[in-house]
Amino acid sequence: EAGVVQSPRYKIIEKKQPVAFWCNPISGHNTLYWYLQNLGQGPELLIRYENEEAVDDSQLPKDRFSAERLKGVDSTLKIQPAELGDSAVYLCASSLGRRDNEQFFGPGTRLTVL
Amino acid sequence: SQQGEEDPQALSIQEGENATMNCSYKTSINNLQWYRQNSGRGLVHLILIRSNEREKHSGRLRVTLDTSKKSSSLLITASRAADTASYFCATDTSGGYNKLIFGAGTRLAVHP
Repeated sequence: EAGVVQSPRYKIIEKKQPVAFWCNPISGHNTLYWYLQNLGQGPELLIRYENEEAVDDSQLPKDRFSAERLKGVDSTLKIQPAELGDSAVYLCASSLGRRDNEQFFGPGTRLTVL
Repeated sequence: SQQGEEDPQALSIQEGENATMNCSYKTSINNLQWYRQNSGRGLVHLILIRSNEREKHSGRLRVTLDTSKKSSSLLITASRAADTASYFCATDTSGGYNKLIFGAGTRLAVHP
């Protein structure tokens, strides 16, 4: 069974440019998470979806970040415009969403903003 | 903000030795989970311990949880070079519904 798929794996852009990341969770996982991980730190939750509904987006900087999961399967996270401080690894994870379930992580997208 | 804090931040040991990492947290939890991250990769789930459990084992891993002290420890016995990675604790304070808050991690280096 395929794990969580993310693309691209690496992205280098100039500041003020837009960028988008894509995630395909494990089949059957109704809960999807986007995390941001800075160097030397643990992941920080940006947004959590239950099916197509964003149930927790309190930590998503909504002035420049947006996300969607239109059909409750794959998801896209967008930054527009990107800033230097957005350079980080963006991780996607999925889980069954039931009580006490582990999360399965994708390999992440490493974003560098120049 | 990160609720969990791992200690030590970095650990360097020889193959065959045991490695112990500690995690402290601030608020009540439903469960605590440990994850491993190899350099440049995503996180891999290692073990989950519920708030009403005190100890759990999985292969060479042993996790303890002390809710009175709001702390947990991860013990890796007979370490191998392949155990070299960062280890994160994550706490679920959302009623068990998988909203995790991660600590900053312990970077473990196991030397052959």
